[in-house]
Amino acid sequence: DIQMTQSPSTLSASVGDRVTITCRASQSVSSWLAWYQQKPGKAPKLLMYQASSLESGVPSRFSGSGSGTEFTLTISSLQPDDFATYYCQQYNSYWTFGQGTKVEIK
Amino acid sequence: QVQLVQSGAEVKKPGASVKVSCKASGYTFTGHYIHWVRQAPGQGLEWMGRINPNSGGINFAQRFQGRVTMTRDTSISTAYMELSGLRSDDTAVYYCARDRGSYNWNYLDAFDIWGQGTMVTVSS
Repeated sequence: DIQMTQSPSTLSASVGDRVTITCRASQSVSSWLAWYQQKPGKAPKLLMYQASSLESGVPSRFSGSGSGTEFTLTISSLQPDDFATYYCQQYNSYWTFGQGTKVEIK
Repeated sequence: QVQLVQSGAEVKKPGASVKVSCKASGYTFTGHYIHWVRQAPGQGLEWMGRINPNSGGINFAQRFQGRVTMTRDTSISTAYMELSGLRSDDTAVYYCARDRGSYNWNYLDAFDIWGQGTMVTVSS
């Protein structure tokens, strides 16, 4: 099984900050990587797919990059609605999620 | 609008089975895989398996082999996930989710539409 590791586990930031979350795969997943946002009590929401493609309706302050085993999700200017937990997911070989990164208010 | 609506919360005793439904609307049900994902309290997301609503074909995560059954009823655009031999560590929110790929049966994709989740509590 492909293991996904996110860092950091928790990130404290302020509105307007540039935020970067890293996701590493235990083996290459090519560009078959997605990012999700989840708020408490809600289902996850797809943000990015194929590493760098923005899902329809997602604000352009979100961007993704990487290939192979290392990926990043960047929020260019953190907004109040962005405080949530973020998960990466590989879909190169079945599906595996990272453990999540909680973005909290500093 | 495109949506998945799941059945309500369940409380079960250890050893029992639970069956969760997921009704699709706003798109062609037989055109996209339906996946099942669970999330234990305070924990991350775990993929359980998927069903091809067109053929009924199924893929499972190894750890659920023998305990999970996935079916569908195309006449009512509904997918089902049944988990048997329930244990306390099966207590979780169970989500269904739609695969992004349309009629893309040979490729893997991300999940673009999610149900609201169904809380399953296993307790004696």
